[in-house]
Amino acid sequence: GAGVSQTPSNKVTEKGKYVELRCDPISGHTALYWYRQSLGQGPEFLIYFQGTGAADDSGLPNDRFFAVRPEGSVSTLKIQRTERGDSAVYLCASSLFSGGGANEQFFGPGTRLTVL
Amino acid sequence: GDSVTQMEGPVTLSEEAFLTINCTYTATGYPSLFWYVQYPGEGLQLLLKATKADDKGSNKGFEATYRKETTSFHLEKGSVQVSDSAVYFCALSAGSARQLTFGSGTQLTVLP
Repeated sequence: GAGVSQTPSNKVTEKGKYVELRCDPISGHTALYWYRQSLGQGPEFLIYFQGTGAADDSGLPNDRFFAVRPEGSVSTLKIQRTERGDSAVYLCASSLFSGGGANEQFFGPGTRLTVL
Repeated sequence: GDSVTQMEGPVTLSEEAFLTINCTYTATGYPSLFWYVQYPGEGLQLLLKATKADDKGSNKGFEATYRKETTSFHLEKGSVQVSDSAVYFCALSAGSARQLTFGSGTQLTVLP
């Protein structure tokens, strides 16, 4: 079956602009995660959805970052007033459920964001 | 908070050499432990996992044992192949959200 997909694969924007990054999880996966991976580093957690609600947004770096998942499937990560430091690969992952056990997270290919 | 420390790379080995990539962790409670792999041009893939102390995860000839007493989850393979060249990430999950906390990754290059 189809895996996690993310669009666009690459996004170049100018400082101060607004961007949206989209994630299509595996069908039927209720848990969805966003991570950010800077060059030479491991991914860092941003936000977690269980269904439609953001169950844990403790990883969002500041209030310029926001994410939604209105119908419990597709999610959009939104970044306002982008800064050069936001440049990174943004990864989305989904899993069948969360809470207890080692539920495997399946990762998408990522969106490479470059802020000029 | 939770953290993962893994062996810095890059690591370069000859084909059929023995591989160890060290990983230690700090976490409250009882985390689950993972190794993820990222092959060139591809996304992160789960390589193996272990959910409790003394569990051994294994896949594709790779193994790692959950050692609670040393808070470690070292990755090993007896005989590496050129196709194992990739970046390897150690990770843990804990807490109600089960989000992953990753190490910084180890770049492995296997030469023929």
